Amino acid sequence: SQTIHQWPATLVQPVGSPLSLECTVEGTSNPNLYWYRQAAGRGLQLLFYSVGIGQISSEVPQNLSASRPQDRQFILSSKKLLLSDSGFYLCAWTSKGSGRQAFFGQGTRLTVV
Amino acid sequence: TQLLEQSPQFLSIQEGENLTVYCNSSSVFSSLQWYRQEPGEGPVLLVTVVTGGEVKKLKRLTFQFGDARKDSSLHITAAQPGDTGLYLCAGEKKTSYDKVIFGPGTSLSVIP
Repeated sequence: SQTIHQWPATLVQPVGSPLSLECTVEGTSNPNLYWYRQAAGRGLQLLFYSVGIGQISSEVPQNLSASRPQDRQFILSSKKLLLSDSGFYLCAWTSKGSGRQAFFGQGTRLTVV
Repeated sequence: TQLLEQSPQFLSIQEGENLTVYCNSSSVFSSLQWYRQEPGEGPVLLVTVVTGGEVKKLKRLTFQFGDARKDSSLHITAAQPGDTGLYLCAGEKKTSYDKVIFGPGTSLSVIP
């Protein structure tokens, strides 16, 4: 069966510090991978998605970047965090094809102080 | 620009009442999905609708996809406290790269 791992679950970082959130998928190959950010009680804002190794599409110009060094690994990074980067970050994967279900990690609660 | 709109944004009802939430777009989607999310967790898929006019039922939940595949509704009959959560619709947008985008969600609170 397929599983998705995302860590850490919570993170408190000072303004100006770097960030690295990691997401890995097991039990499938060549998935589409996504990073979303969610404000409290609201919908998911698509940040980055990837259809393959090294292929990253950025949806929103911002202080963040993403990389896909391996087929089932997706990393969200920042060189210098801003207060506005605080939020709930979710990694997800879908298989390729129509009507695909998105499977989500447990999320990372990031607080920038 | 929000490609998917959801209404209402917040909904608080008494246990046993019926409710409908809506998902609308000016774009056509090849499929549309509904997810439910509880605080601190990732969304979990409820249903996928693919065909215009399609109606799917999941116990007390009824999902409908608009004929033009631009909108969808979720109707809950006799709501229960366990239905409380954030309901998100998501559409599959065909571009050079396929991607799944989400609406802003409807936050439902069912009061015992």
